[in-house]
Amino acid sequence: EAGVVQSPRYKIIEKKQPVAFWCNPISGHNTLYWYLQNLGQGPELLIRYENEEAVDDSQLPKDRFSAERLKGVDSTLKIQPAELGDSAVYLCASGRHDRTEAFFGQGTRLTVV
Amino acid sequence: AQSVTQLGSHVSVSEGALVLLRCNYSSSVPPYLFWYVQYPNQGLQLLLKYTTGATLVKGINGFEAEFKKSETSFHLTKPSAHMSDAAEYFCAVSVSYNQGGKLIFGQGTELSVKP
Repeated sequence: EAGVVQSPRYKIIEKKQPVAFWCNPISGHNTLYWYLQNLGQGPELLIRYENEEAVDDSQLPKDRFSAERLKGVDSTLKIQPAELGDSAVYLCASGRHDRTEAFFGQGTRLTVV
Repeated sequence: AQSVTQLGSHVSVSEGALVLLRCNYSSSVPPYLFWYVQYPNQGLQLLLKYTTGATLVKGINGFEAEFKKSETSFHLTKPSAHMSDAAEYFCAVSVSYNQGGKLIFGQGTELSVKP
């Protein structure tokens, strides 16, 4: 069974530029999460989807961050414009509706210069 | 509100020694508890989880953890450390609501294993 796939693995951009991250969850997983992991910290939830519906986006900075999960499968997280403080690892995870554990992708390491 | 505290941001042990990583949680409702491991430049891998039932939970790679409600703890142990255990370990708590919870992570503990 394939795991959660994220791309790109690494991204370097200049501040004020836009950036997008892509996530393909495990097949059959209807719950999808985007987490932010700052250096030396534990991950923090940005947004959680149940199928195509964002059911928890209270931690998503909506002035510059947006996310979508069309058709309830793949998801894209976008930052526009990026700031220096956005440098971090962005983790995607997926899970089943009837389970609590989440399975994580390898993450996208973003560096804003 | 739920929270997780991991005592010790860095733990160093000798190969073959006991590994003990401490985790305390705060939750107003019965929690689901998890330990994840993260190797450099990798995502998080589930080591073990506690939901209900037996309070001593066994996971992968010889790790186990015990849920102690009276102490609000979920410490991770391994009897004999191996060099390959060197990684970052995260304790997390989940409260299932709306038929699907979110994970609240601790700050992480970096485990070093000396030869």
